[in-house]
Amino acid sequence: GAGVSQSPSNKVTEKGKDVELRCDPISGHTALYWYRQSLGQGLEFLIYFQGNSAPDKSGLPSDRFSAERTGGSVSTLTIQRTQQEDSAVYLCASSRAGGSRTEAFFGQGTRLTVV
Amino acid sequence: GQQVMQIPQYQHVQEGEDFTTYCNSSTTLSNIQWYKQRPGGHPVFLIQLVKSGEVKKQKRLTFQFGEAKKNSSLHITATQTTDVGTYFCAPGNTGKLIFGQGTTLQVKP
Repeated sequence: GAGVSQSPSNKVTEKGKDVELRCDPISGHTALYWYRQSLGQGLEFLIYFQGNSAPDKSGLPSDRFSAERTGGSVSTLTIQRTQQEDSAVYLCASSRAGGSRTEAFFGQGTRLTVV
Repeated sequence: GQQVMQIPQYQHVQEGEDFTTYCNSSTTLSNIQWYKQRPGGHPVFLIQLVKSGEVKKQKRLTFQFGEAKKNSSLHITATQTTDVGTYFCAPGNTGKLIFGQGTTLQVKP
């Protein structure tokens, strides 16, 4: 596609429910990143994929968070048993190569609200 | 991964004044990137610096990479209301892409 696509753009869920966030990176980009951004805060790193493998999961806040990437393309971030503190904007980015060697392109984000 | 300190956290300026944000590392960086996030938007890539002492300009924006490659700065000359947003640096890394804490710029017209 023309850019990084994330869906849904907005998600309201009840506390305790599971949610799945989707990221469709730019075609051919091998690196994919997930970040969490709370209101007025910075970009909290969650996980990084190089191809289908995740060499760095160090940012996942708890075992309720998981992510996968299939076919070196689409990625899903799953949050189980959501809590109110999970409310935030979840941003996905992709780049041709890992790290800061090449420009990263961000999606518009998914705004998650846990009520 | 590389860790950086970005200062200041917030800056309020009058339109027409200059603005500078700094990104400092305790270790030598291979390169550094800068991104801008407008309010309600997503981060957008501005520039990448690679060479020691490198200076790059984009209209009113001047980016510098220190001689020791441990710090970088973004300077905006004569700010405009369109410059409002948060500016993030991203230090060089071959793996995950991590960001500084960001500097949020407010411009009073």
